[in-house]
Amino acid sequence: GQQLNQSPQSMFIQEGEDVSMNCTSSSIFNTWLWYKQDPGEGPVLLIALYKAGELTSNGRLTAQFGITRKDSFLNISASIPSDVGIYFCAGPSNFGNEKLTFGTGTRLTIIP
Amino acid sequence: ETGVTQSPTHLIKTRGQQVTLRCSSQSGHNTVSWYQQALGQGPQFIFQYYREEENGRGNFPPRFSGLQFPNYSSELNVNALELDDSALYLCASSLPGTVENEQFFGPGTRLTVL
Repeated sequence: GQQLNQSPQSMFIQEGEDVSMNCTSSSIFNTWLWYKQDPGEGPVLLIALYKAGELTSNGRLTAQFGITRKDSFLNISASIPSDVGIYFCAGPSNFGNEKLTFGTGTRLTIIP
Repeated sequence: ETGVTQSPTHLIKTRGQQVTLRCSSQSGHNTVSWYQQALGQGPQFIFQYYREEENGRGNFPPRFSGLQFPNYSSELNVNALELDDSALYLCASSLPGTVENEQFFGPGTRLTVL
């Protein structure tokens, strides 16, 4: 079955630092989505990628669709306290294009 | 515009019991998907409802069932609860069809099975 593995599993950084995380798949994806989940909330879509090699930004966030179609990367520049949360990659599942499969998540903590 | 709402927020049940979780979709969205998120994991797709019918199902047993109503709200029912059913249950609403139609998630219902 499909598996999306994210690394690192967790990150501890200081405010102002840049963050990089990635997501790899055992199979090819045609769409990559990046979500953020705050405690007690559902995931919120940050960035959507639809084309291999695509680089898309949303404010301080930048995501790339890997050229092999089996990976994607998310970067956060100049982190701020509200960046704390869990970041998930996701893509279309084997159950249907709009039924999503999610990665294992990267937990971001900012050290004061 | 009202977002996706879910009820109840938290629920505690015992093994073998049955539970019903509820979801109201975002205004204008006629498709509702349900996901199970175990602690420390990403959400896993359970099933999707469109026009009051099941429109795709993940790897979940038949004791997980659902309904969608004419106003597009939805229920998730789980029979014969097992300890492993303890999780955050998320519903997401969207327009139908493609992955380009963003799914908006509710805050979830935290189910604990003792």
